[in-house]
Amino acid sequence: SQKIEQNSEALNIQEGKTATLTCNYTNYSPAYLQWYRQDPGRGPVFLLLIRENEKEKRKERLKVTFDTTLKQSLFHITASQPADSATYLCAPQGGSQGNLIFGKGTKLSVKP
Amino acid sequence: ETGVTQTPRHLVMGMTNKKSLKCEQHLGHNAMYWYKQSAKKPLELMFVYSLEERVENNSVPSRFSPECPNSSHLFLHLHTLQPEDSALYLCASSQRLCQRGGLCEQYFGPGTRLTVT
Repeated sequence: SQKIEQNSEALNIQEGKTATLTCNYTNYSPAYLQWYRQDPGRGPVFLLLIRENEKEKRKERLKVTFDTTLKQSLFHITASQPADSATYLCAPQGGSQGNLIFGKGTKLSVKP
Repeated sequence: ETGVTQTPRHLVMGMTNKKSLKCEQHLGHNAMYWYKQSAKKPLELMFVYSLEERVENNSVPSRFSPECPNSSHLFLHLHTLQPEDSALYLCASSQRLCQRGGLCEQYFGPGTRLTVT
């Protein structure tokens, strides 16, 4: 069955450092992969989408890579700030019905 | 604000009650979704609607009954729920249906925190 794994449940880093979150998927080949941010008690917010033929996508301090050979996406936040603290969800698109399949998320904490 | 609203934000109900969750999107999108989010589990897709037509029902128990009267509104009717149904219920919309391929970034509402006692 299709499976999504986000490397760790929680990641703690110091302000100003680069946060790197990992998303691995198995048993399917998504055409697109999306990343979302979710704050406690709120719905996820769309951040970035990357296509299978794109190696890298950037938006301000965010960078996403997509390696279809490794079946992996990396999500980077450079110059991290305490306001970046949240749970980040990976969602490859293209399951059996073409829907998004969400990972459990990685809770990022950026300490001042 | 994402342009997707949900009411109520919090709901406590007994197992014999009947209640409804409401979702409204102000984005002119064509697809709407219901998700369930339980602690320590990923978002689970429950129902998908495209232009008021249900296109997917992900093996959801019949005690959950969706309704989509028009492309802007989505309801989830609840009856005889179980305590394990306690969760955050999220509504989302997208311009295109994910199943049709292409870009389908989703816009989520704030969710309804449901507690079944």
